[in-house]
Amino acid sequence: NAGVMQNPRHLVRRRGQEARLRCSPMKGHSHVYWYRQLPEEGLKFMVYLQKENIIDESGMPKERFSAEFPKEGPSILRIQQVVRGDSAAYFCASSPLASGTEAFFGQGTRLTVV
Amino acid sequence: EDKVVQSPLSLVVHEGDTVTLNCSYEVTNFRSLLWYKQEKKAPTFLFMLTSSGIEKKSGRLSSILDKKELFSILNITATQTGDSAIYLCAVEGAQKLVFGQGTRLTINP
Repeated sequence: NAGVMQNPRHLVRRRGQEARLRCSPMKGHSHVYWYRQLPEEGLKFMVYLQKENIIDESGMPKERFSAEFPKEGPSILRIQQVVRGDSAAYFCASSPLASGTEAFFGQGTRLTVV
Repeated sequence: EDKVVQSPLSLVVHEGDTVTLNCSYEVTNFRSLLWYKQEKKAPTFLFMLTSSGIEKKSGRLSSILDKKELFSILNITATQTGDSAIYLCAVEGAQKLVFGQGTRLTINP
């Protein structure tokens, strides 16, 4: 049973380009969470998704950021027209239930905007 | 707004020392409190606490929750250099984890 898989591990984008981050949850997990970690800061919640549904996106910037978790395939975090301030580590976590269990984290995608 | 505050932010000790990391929280619809260890990669799970006063223990690590005073502590005894990491506290509120800023622990030989 593979863990939470994120790819790519490292992503470099020029300002104005689009970044697509992928997260495949653990087998049997239908709940996915995205977090952003800025240098020297803790993990900040961005969005919580179940299959085909966004449950809570209160941590997502209103513009340029979107997330999806389709019926088939990985969850995608999409950042349009990236800016330098988007440079961060983006972690995905999955859990089998909505609550009461720990979330398992992927290795993260380190996005660098140049 | 839900809030999790960890202290200290940074701690440097010598190998063999005992450390106590603190986590206080204000979260609506509290469900559980979790501790993670992060060493340059993904956070790895340490403990989940849901009930007050019951100590969870794993080797040299232990943790306890006080739901009345809204805090938790993580203890590490006989520290080793391999314990050097960022320790993250997270509280599960309404359908999401709220993380503290972490404590950067450095163990010097």
